Formats: sequence, structure tokens, C-alpha cells
Amino acid sequence: AIQMTQSPSSLSASVGDRVTITCRASQGIRNGLGWYRQKPGTAPKLLIYAASSLQSGVPSRFSGSGSGTDFTLTISSLQPEDFATYYCLQDYNYPRTFGQGTKVEIK
Amino acid sequence: EVQLLESGGGLVQPGGSLRLSCAASGFTFTSYAMTWVRQAPGKGLEWVSGISGGGGSTYYAASVKGRFTISRDNSKNTLYLQMNSLRAEDTAVYYCAKDLREQQFDYWGQGTLVTVSS
Repeated sequence: AIQMTQSPSSLSASVGDRVTITCRASQGIRNGLGWYRQKPGTAPKLLIYAASSLQSGVPSRFSGSGSGTDFTLTISSLQPEDFATYYCLQDYNYPRTFGQGTKVEIK
Repeated sequence: EVQLLESGGGLVQPGGSLRLSCAASGFTFTSYAMTWVRQAPGKGLEWVSGISGGGGSTYYAASVKGRFTISRDNSKNTLYLQMNSLRAEDTAVYYCAKDLREQQFDYWGQGTLVTVSS
């Protein structure tokens, strides 16, 4: 199975900050990667698919980039609702695999 | 409006069985692959199983292969997860999710809690 490694595992930031989270695949996955935001007690929400495509209804402050093994999620200006945990997921093959998560906390 | 409603969770003893259901509405169910994802208490997300729109192709995580069976009834717009030989480490909230063109998961249910304990 493809292993997905996210970094950092947690970070502290302030409202308005630019935040970057990375995800590395153990083998090439082309652009088969998505990003999710999960708030406590709720289901995950899809932000980005195909590495860089913004899911419908998701604010433009979210962007994704990368291909092959290295991927990035960027939040250009952190908003209060963005303090949450973020996960990457590879859909290149089965079994699908998630990264371990990055918790974004208030500084 | 797309809606996914899981049911069937609860407390079960180790070695026991449980069947989860996910009732779907608001989209053409048979046209989309579906997925189960779980989250143990305080832990990250774990992909569990997926099934194609017609039901002919199924996929499993190594941790559940041979114990869990995914299926769907397209006449009832319902997804299932039959869980046998349950272990304490299967304790989690189980989410069903709709596939976005067999890529990521664009709609999720609210989750159902499965607790495996004696």
C-alpha cells in the first residue's frame, strides 16, 4: 500500500496567516491526491481534488499543488473556521490511504 | 440535495457481527462508487472499503479484508458494510461517502459509532 506522510503533524498560526501543509507519497501517484478539512465531531470536507482542483463551493483561499510524490495545501489567509485538522488522501490506487493529519491550532 | 444517512452502529462484543447501512438520496446512486471510512476515537481517518457503482468491483483495506464485506442495493439506494469477527481495534466512527468520479469523496454522512467491547 502507498504510504502518505504529512508534515507538520501540528502547527500554530494566527488569523490572516499563510499556512502550508505538505504530503509525500511513498511512490509516484501522478495527481491522484485530495485534501480534506475536519472540524471536531464532524465529517471531513473535501477541499481539493486531483492535486490542484478546487472543489465546488470551497473558498479560493485554499489551493493545492504538486505531482508525483510531493504535494502542498496552502491556505492564503487563515480564517477562524480553518482551525481544524487537515488530511491528504491518495486515490491513485487501492487501497486508498490517508495521511496522518495536520492539526492547525490558534497561536 | 445529496444526503447520506448511516445507521446500524452500536455496542458489540469481540468476535461479534454488525451490519451498517447508508441510505443515499439526492443523486443517481447507481452512477457513483461509494466508500466506507472510519475514525477511531482521537485518531486519524482510515479508508476501509470501496465499491463500484454497479457493485461488481469491491476493495478493502488489509486490516479488514476477509472480515468485512461491502455491498449495495441500487434498488434501495443503500450501501452496506457487513462486519464480522469484530475486534477492539475496529472501534470507530464509520462514515459512508460518495465518490467524486472515483477520485475523492465529495459527500459524507454524519457517521455511526461502532464500539467493540466486552
